[in-house]
Amino acid sequence: QVHLVESGGGVVQPGRSLRLSCAASGFTLSSYAIHWVRQAPGKGLEWVAFTLYDGSNEYYADSVKGRFTISRDNSRNTVHLQMNSLRAEDTAVYYCARESATVGGSFDFWGQGTLVTVSS
Amino acid sequence: QSVLTQPPSVSGAPGQRVTISCTGSSPNIGTDYHVHWYQQLPGTAPTLLIYGNTNRPSGVPDRFSGSMSGNSASLAITGLQAEDEADYYCQSFDSSLSAWVFGGGTKLTVL
Repeated sequence: QVHLVESGGGVVQPGRSLRLSCAASGFTLSSYAIHWVRQAPGKGLEWVAFTLYDGSNEYYADSVKGRFTISRDNSRNTVHLQMNSLRAEDTAVYYCARESATVGGSFDFWGQGTLVTVSS
Repeated sequence: QSVLTQPPSVSGAPGQRVTISCTGSSPNIGTDYHVHWYQQLPGTAPTLLIYGNTNRPSGVPDRFSGSMSGNSASLAITGLQAEDEADYYCQSFDSSLSAWVFGGGTKLTVL
């Protein structure tokens, strides 16, 4: 059974850093691209970052480019999102999601999310 | 401002049919990029509802269907049930942004 479990959220001051983790189980992580998607309180979904199955390629939303870094350790079945220079507008629930291997571009499994609150 | 445009809300009575539109501009939907739909029940993570424009993952009732016409996609829900009350999002890829994009979401209310 596919499971994605996010961790690392919390309350952080503006300008500080936070590192989120996504633990994968029930499938071979090294065969799948993984995304981070966020949802600000009461708002819609916003795609944040992408890592290719082997970590050889990454993409970022313009809103986080230069501040966030996605990485993965397939040997530990984990994907990370390093978030630096955090702003109030980064406050959101952050989800990791697996990209389908059969129909590219769709997110076939999601974690339960971890809440990041950026506030002084 | 979302790259994909959805109506903010739709509503229908139990048993009725509703549709949710998702309109984009080239170069996202309407070209080589599929549209996918997600259902987000209150307080939960999104789940994949329709992938590749028209396909249902296993376990999704056939009351849910997807279609495409030009640069617009639609999600139809027939035989509305109270449990369908949720937020629905369309999603695709925008090659000009090199980004995966979501619609703004549509809140479905079952009257």
